[in-house]
Amino acid sequence: EAQVTQNPRYLITVTGKKLTVTCSQNMNHEYMSWYRQDPGLGLRQIYYSMNVEVTDKGDVPEGYKVSRKEKRNFPLILESPSPNQTSLYFCASSLDSSVPEAFFGQGTRLTVV
Amino acid sequence: DAKTTQPNSMESNEEEPVHLPCNHSTISGTDYIHWYRQLPSQGPEYVIHGLTSNVNNRMASLAIAEDRKSSTLILHRATLRDAAVYYCILRDSPEYGNKLVFGAGTILRVKS
Repeated sequence: EAQVTQNPRYLITVTGKKLTVTCSQNMNHEYMSWYRQDPGLGLRQIYYSMNVEVTDKGDVPEGYKVSRKEKRNFPLILESPSPNQTSLYFCASSLDSSVPEAFFGQGTRLTVV
Repeated sequence: DAKTTQPNSMESNEEEPVHLPCNHSTISGTDYIHWYRQLPSQGPEYVIHGLTSNVNNRMASLAIAEDRKSSTLILHRATLRDAAVYYCILRDSPEYGNKLVFGAGTILRVKS
């Protein structure tokens, strides 16, 4: 089954403790991205990757890092999480940047205390 | 990014058609119109997209006004599983990174 898989689905952590949210897709997609969803603000893009070893900032990249060492994986790294990064995170992928259909993961609900 | 305007919420009866409107008066000639939906506790899901002509797929139809300043997503027979937030999104030319800019969307409630 074609899918985007995020882990973990739920995470509670403390301020400053580094964490990684993993994202994997099994569709051989070139384009992957991360969004965060907050009440009243909608979904906002954090980072995106056009292909392996090619990443770029989205609209709200501060406090986040990403890497794209292999095509299927696009982890989101929070080096020093803060409470304002408490949010619902979604990973998405599409065949390439010109294809309109994006596939989203189930989401990761992160709480930073 | 060009802005879209959608009603906050709509209600429909099961088995009846639903017309979800979207206004995008500042749309540019290269903007594609996309619709996504987000079911409760799930990630967004692609529904349909178009540029100028009306489009149909297995999920829905998209009717685009001749001047492209508005569009309507049509669900031909609403079911309880169609209850979701529906987002109308304009997307720039692909070289801008395929970013999707989600607004508040329309909450669709379906009554049995």
